[in-house]
Amino acid sequence: DIQMTQSPSSLSASVGDRVIITCRASQSIGAYLNWYQQRAGKAPKLLASALPNFQSAVPSRFSVSGSGTDFTLTITSLQVEDFATYYCQQSYTMPITFGQGTRLEIK
Amino acid sequence: QVQLVQSGIEVKKPGASVKISCKASGYTFTSYGISWVRQARGQGLEWMGWIATYNDNTNYAQKFQDRVTLTTDTSTETAYLEMRSLRSDDTAVYYCARDREWLRPWGQGTPVIVSS
Repeated sequence: DIQMTQSPSSLSASVGDRVIITCRASQSIGAYLNWYQQRAGKAPKLLASALPNFQSAVPSRFSVSGSGTDFTLTITSLQVEDFATYYCQQSYTMPITFGQGTRLEIK
Repeated sequence: QVQLVQSGIEVKKPGASVKISCKASGYTFTSYGISWVRQARGQGLEWMGWIATYNDNTNYAQKFQDRVTLTTDTSTETAYLEMRSLRSDDTAVYYCARDREWLRPWGQGTPVIVSS
């Protein structure tokens, strides 16, 4: 199975800050990497994908980059509603695997 | 709008079975598979398996291969997850989600509590 490792596991930031969350795959997955946002008590929501043909409705302050084994999710100008847990997920091969999550908290 | 609505909370004793439903609406059911993911309290997301709704082909995480069965009923556009021989560490919220690569949307989740 492909192991997905996120860093950091938790992060404290303030409204208006820029944060970067990284995700590393144990082997190359091309651009088959997705990001999910999970707010407290809610189901996860697909946020973005590294695949170029993915159409997203998320605000432009969210951006993704990377290919192969290393990926980043960048959130610029943090808003209150962005404080949540973020998961990366590889869809390159079965079994689908998720990172352990990054909890983004208000400082 | 595209929506997945799951069945309600389940409380089971160890050794019992549970069957959770996931009713789809707002799209052609057989055009997308259904994935199942669980999340123990305070923990991360764990993919359990996927079923192709047009032909019932399945793919399970090895951990669940022997205890989980995924099925569908195309007449009611509903997917099901059945888990047998429940243990206390199966206590979690179980989610269905449309598709296999880009999981969206997700159902609201079904809490399953396994306790004697």
